[in-house]
Amino acid sequence: GNSVTQMEGPVTLSEEAFLTINCTYTATGYPSLFWYVQYPGEGLQLLLKATKADDKGSNKGFEATYRKETTSFHLEKGSVQVSDSAVYFCALRTGGFKTIFGAGTRLFVKA
Amino acid sequence: DVKVTQSSRYLVKRTGEKVFLECVQDMDHENMFWYRQDPGLGLRLIYFSYDVKMKEKGDIPEGYSVSREKKERFSLILESASTNQTSMYLCASSSTGGEGVNSPLHFGNGTRLTVT
Repeated sequence: GNSVTQMEGPVTLSEEAFLTINCTYTATGYPSLFWYVQYPGEGLQLLLKATKADDKGSNKGFEATYRKETTSFHLEKGSVQVSDSAVYFCALRTGGFKTIFGAGTRLFVKA
Repeated sequence: DVKVTQSSRYLVKRTGEKVFLECVQDMDHENMFWYRQDPGLGLRLIYFSYDVKMKEKGDIPEGYSVSREKKERFSLILESASTNQTSMYLCASSSTGGEGVNSPLHFGNGTRLTVT
């Protein structure tokens, strides 16, 4: 079946450090891929998405590239800020209604 | 902006009580979902609905039911609450039109339910 695996957290970085959160997936067909972010006390919100191979999604300095050959969708940011502290979820959707989520990776950014 | 509103942020209920969690969205979305969020497990789909009065089981429907009498409202019902249903519950909606399968989910802020 379809599944998403993302790196375990927590990830702790200093401000301005480079961030990578790894995400790999297993899916039949050609899924759309998403990163969602959950700030403390809030629900999830869409961070970025990519709908086909080699697409790059980007938003707020975050980027992720849909790599079909490695079934990966790693999240990166060149310089993190304290305000980026949150939980990040990788997710996929194939042709139906269901979105499959990874377990989430908590990021702490220290000033 | 899409707004998904969950009626309660925190609820404390006793074992065996019937519990109603309410969710309302204001963007005329066709699809609505209930997830539960537990540490280390991510989000797991309980039920979803793609139209008024339509419902489909998700991955963990046992112990839950849902109701969708109006397009904007989707209720989750715990028929007889148990301690293993203590969790964060998240409601979401999405559109079928436009981006279709690529349309993102829009989430409410969640209801943290504690069953004692």
